[in-house]
Amino acid sequence: GDSVTQMEGPVTLSEEAFLTINCTYTATGYPSLFWYVQYPGEGLQLLLKATKADDKGSNKGFEATYRKETTSFHLEKGSVQVSDSAVYFCALRDAGGTSYGKLTFGQGTILTVHP
Amino acid sequence: EADIYQTPRYLVIGTGKKITLECSQTMGHDKMYWYQQDPGMELHLIHYSYGVNSTEKGDLSSESTVSRIRTEHFPLTLESARPSHTSQYLCASSENRGSNYGYTFGSGTRLTVV
Repeated sequence: GDSVTQMEGPVTLSEEAFLTINCTYTATGYPSLFWYVQYPGEGLQLLLKATKADDKGSNKGFEATYRKETTSFHLEKGSVQVSDSAVYFCALRDAGGTSYGKLTFGQGTILTVHP
Repeated sequence: EADIYQTPRYLVIGTGKKITLECSQTMGHDKMYWYQQDPGMELHLIHYSYGVNSTEKGDLSSESTVSRIRTEHFPLTLESARPSHTSQYLCASSENRGSNYGYTFGSGTRLTVV
């Protein structure tokens, strides 16, 4: 069945450091891929998405490229800020897979950025 | 600005009480979902609906029930709350068109059963 695996956290960085959060997936169809962010005490917000192979999603300085050959969708940011501290979720949605079009989430990665 | 609303944001209630968590959306989405989020942050789908009068159980077994009488409204009910129900509950909805679209989430209800 469909599944998403994120790198284990938590991740702690200093301000202006480079961020990578790894995400790999397993899907039987042709999924769309998403990154969501959850700030403390809030629900999830869509950060970026990519709907087909080699697409790059970007938003607020974050980027992720849909790599079909490595089944990956790693999240990157060149220079993190304290305000980026949050929980990040990788997810896939596969209309043709066993999840019947529902979002499948990774386990989440907690990011803490220190000044 | 949120197009999906959850109330209450926080709720502390005694064991054995009946509670209903409200979720409403103004986007006309047919598909709606309830997730339970544990302290480790992982999300578990507990209920979903693909339209009025359609409800299904999710991947995680839950003692809660849901109803979908109107498109915009998807309440979750616990008949008899227990401390094991303490958690964050997130409601979401999605576009009616295909898998290219993600979900829109509400701000969540943090439930504590004492």
